[in-house]
Amino acid sequence: QQPVQSPQAVILREGEDAVINCSSSKALYSVHWYRQKHGEAPVFLMILLKGGEQKGHEKISASFNEKKQQSSLYLTASQLSYSGTYFCGTVGSNTGKLIFGQGTTLQVKP
Amino acid sequence: DTAVSQTPKYLVTQMGNDKSIKCEQNLGHDTMYWYKQDSKKFLKIMFSYNNKELIINETVPNRFSPKSPDKAHLNLHINSLELGDSAVYFCASSRGSGREHYGYTFGSGTRLTVV
Repeated sequence: QQPVQSPQAVILREGEDAVINCSSSKALYSVHWYRQKHGEAPVFLMILLKGGEQKGHEKISASFNEKKQQSSLYLTASQLSYSGTYFCGTVGSNTGKLIFGQGTTLQVKP
Repeated sequence: DTAVSQTPKYLVTQMGNDKSIKCEQNLGHDTMYWYKQDSKKFLKIMFSYNNKELIINETVPNRFSPKSPDKAHLNLHINSLELGDSAVYFCASSRGSGREHYGYTFGSGTRLTVV
């Protein structure tokens, strides 16, 4: 079952913050976050495991609420280079398959 | 050094033809994958191999056949191409079997256009 991301699209000015949410109806083993720039491959940002941990990657961090089967990606003080499509991917407890959400397009303007 | 490399980068072909896409990784990863990205950017898993063994085989037409001659290579052969096969195909690899806590490294993709 595909996880659902929200919002579908975000437009920001440089320096503003954004939150992208990812939710699943299935029990999750882990949540991945990737960024894909236009015409390029998805690039791994971070992985979160069961246990509600939070992780950071420069000014990009994420949390995973295992009970709610939800993850959020936080982008603070956004830079032009943050523009792209962000995908969450979930690995089910029984499947081992990484299933991606539909993506959230982020555009950062000067 | 390219970590996951795919060839060709672009492929334009006529309906009914047979084509192959090749993928190689030099990361020493144990598991390789094929994903299809459609025009709406939806990334869908197709196949996964762990140490040359097929472990994920999603519901794709049997015209698609993956082959892994060794754990560093995963090829995708497509028979009787149809217009709906037009998409970007990404190869990816990861450590472990996919259940462990490792991210995936994607190749640069092969844009397949069927005319």
